[in-house]
Amino acid sequence: GNSVTQMEGPVTLSEEAFLTINCTYTATGYPSLFWYVQYPGEGLQLLLKATKADDKGSNKGFEATYRKETTSFHLEKGSVQVSDSAVYFCALLNNAGNMLTFGGGTRLMVKP
Amino acid sequence: KAGVTQTPRYLIKTRGQQVTLSCSPISGHRSVSWYQQTPGQGLQFLFEYFSETQRNKGNFPGRFSGRQFSNSRSEMNVSTLELGDSALYLCASREGLDSGNTIYFGEGSWLTVV
Repeated sequence: GNSVTQMEGPVTLSEEAFLTINCTYTATGYPSLFWYVQYPGEGLQLLLKATKADDKGSNKGFEATYRKETTSFHLEKGSVQVSDSAVYFCALLNNAGNMLTFGGGTRLMVKP
Repeated sequence: KAGVTQTPRYLIKTRGQQVTLSCSPISGHRSVSWYQQTPGQGLQFLFEYFSETQRNKGNFPGRFSGRQFSNSRSEMNVSTLELGDSALYLCASREGLDSGNTIYFGEGSWLTVV
């Protein structure tokens, strides 16, 4: 079956540091890939997505590139802010398009 | 446009009781899915509905059920509650069945079973 593996947290960074959160997946076919963010006490917000190989999703300074050859979708940001502190989830959509499989989540803490 | 709306936001139930959670999708969205989030198991898929038909079901016992109404609103029900059912239940909606459709999540319903 499908699976998503992402680096365990917490990841603690200073403001303006570079962020990478690794995400790799196992799936049949060519699933769409997503990054969602969850702030404390809230639901999931879509951060970015990519629907085919070599696509780059970007939003709010975050980027991730769909790498089919390495089955990866790593999240990056050049300069994090305190307001980026949250839990980040990598996910894939199955071929039938009716189920998301999530990674375990990575908590990011950004200190001033 | 209003987002995905879930009610109630917080509730406390006793073991053995049953609970019904409600979800109103974004206007025009016809697909609704449900997920359970717990610290131990993470985010797990429960089921998806489209045009009042269940299209997919996750690996949960039969105590977990759902339905969708003609206006696309959805409810999920958990009967004979167990302590382990304590979780954040998230509803999500999307416009149609195209895999390119963005999936939007609600704020969730926090269920505590005591």
